Amino acid sequence: AQSVTQLGSHVSVSEGALVLLRCNYSSSVPPYLFWYVQYPNQGLQLLLKYTTGATLVKGINGFEAEFKKSETSFHLTKPSAHMSDAADDFCAVSEVGDYKLSFGAGTTVTVRA
Amino acid sequence: DAGITQSPRHKVTETGTPVTLRCHQTENHRYMYWYRQDPGHGLRLIHYSYGVKDTDKGEVSDGYSVSRSKTEDFLLTLESATSSQTSVYFCAITPDRPLSYNEQFFGPGTRLTVL
Repeated sequence: AQSVTQLGSHVSVSEGALVLLRCNYSSSVPPYLFWYVQYPNQGLQLLLKYTTGATLVKGINGFEAEFKKSETSFHLTKPSAHMSDAADDFCAVSEVGDYKLSFGAGTTVTVRA
Repeated sequence: DAGITQSPRHKVTETGTPVTLRCHQTENHRYMYWYRQDPGHGLRLIHYSYGVKDTDKGEVSDGYSVSRSKTEDFLLTLESATSSQTSVYFCAITPDRPLSYNEQFFGPGTRLTVL
């Protein structure tokens, strides 16, 4: 069974600074990988996903993530943080042919003015 | 917008009482899921369904049951609520379309407090 580890439960960045959220997974085969964002008192919204092909994927709101098979990682980045990026972010993994997702514990992003 | 609604959105109940949460979708997708969200745990799968009357357990199914008698509705029941079931509950669906890649769309959540 796959598992997901998000390093750092809280990340604080200054407005305009780089945002880096780390995600590592364990899976016997290359999985499908997702980042979801959750704003206060809302459901989860997909930021981006990796399925096949290009390992650098771009998502909404200027976020991108790179799938590195050798490192079993899928880290999320944004070059310049905005106050609206304050949220909880979750990494998730799914194996091909399995319709279930496994989620990491989440990272809370705080943006300082 | 995947047309997912959850009801109720908030509920406070007492220990030992039965509680049923409803998830409704408007697009007749086969796969539906129930998760609970707790601080430090992310989302954990309770039960899921892959069609009418076809359901299976997730990783935290103890104390919960589900039913799906219609494609559009997926019900989660706590037969006898306990304080450990205080949580935020999310429903999700996977779209029935080519190349969905197991992507899930989530409802707005139900905040349940068991006193």
